[in-house]
Amino acid sequence: DVKVTQSSRYLVKRTGEKVFLECVQDMDHENMFWYRQDPGLGLRLIYFSYDVKMKEKGDIPEGYSVSREKKERFSLILESASTNQTSMYLCASSLGHGYTFGSGTRLTVV
Amino acid sequence: KQEVTQIPAALSVPEGENLVLNCSFTDSAIYNLQWFRQDPGKGLTSLLLIQSSQREQTSGRLNASLDKSSGRSTLYIAASQPGDSATYLCAVRTSGTYKYIFGTGTRLKVLA
Repeated sequence: DVKVTQSSRYLVKRTGEKVFLECVQDMDHENMFWYRQDPGLGLRLIYFSYDVKMKEKGDIPEGYSVSREKKERFSLILESASTNQTSMYLCASSLGHGYTFGSGTRLTVV
Repeated sequence: KQEVTQIPAALSVPEGENLVLNCSFTDSAIYNLQWFRQDPGKGLTSLLLIQSSQREQTSGRLNASLDKSSGRSTLYIAASQPGDSATYLCAVRTSGTYKYIFGTGTRLKVLA
């Protein structure tokens, strides 16, 4: 089975900090995605990557950036964390037939 | 722009009932459709994936159907159990895109 691992289940960060969320998949998938999930808003796509060093903006990229230096790792970066970025962050990978998700990172910005 | 709607938003049923969850989408040019389960505070677990050329997929007590022409998919859960309590999400990948668009989910509670 494909495994998608997110490095932290829970994170608490201060306003203005630079935050790194890491995601690693072990099945050589081309495509990787970062979503955030908020009550009443569902899952919203932040960024995705379809190859190493390739990235595309999703629906809500403002305040975020990403890095994909190796195929198995896709990092989400909050350049200067703000309280409105408190959310559940979900990483997924895909080889074209469906997503496999990680277990999520609950980020709280105080 | 693809939009995905799930009805009902919440459902509470006694154990043993057969139930149907609905998902509708606005653009019928889909590549595939995926149903997920999410437990509180957790990530999403894939349940079933239906390719655009398929009409249905089955896994154990779960059956998902797809009708592209009417823009609908249903997830049928047979003989529901308390362990089925979770939020069920439908996601649609439109042809020519990499990403999935998600519905807001149906929160299911199965009472013992």
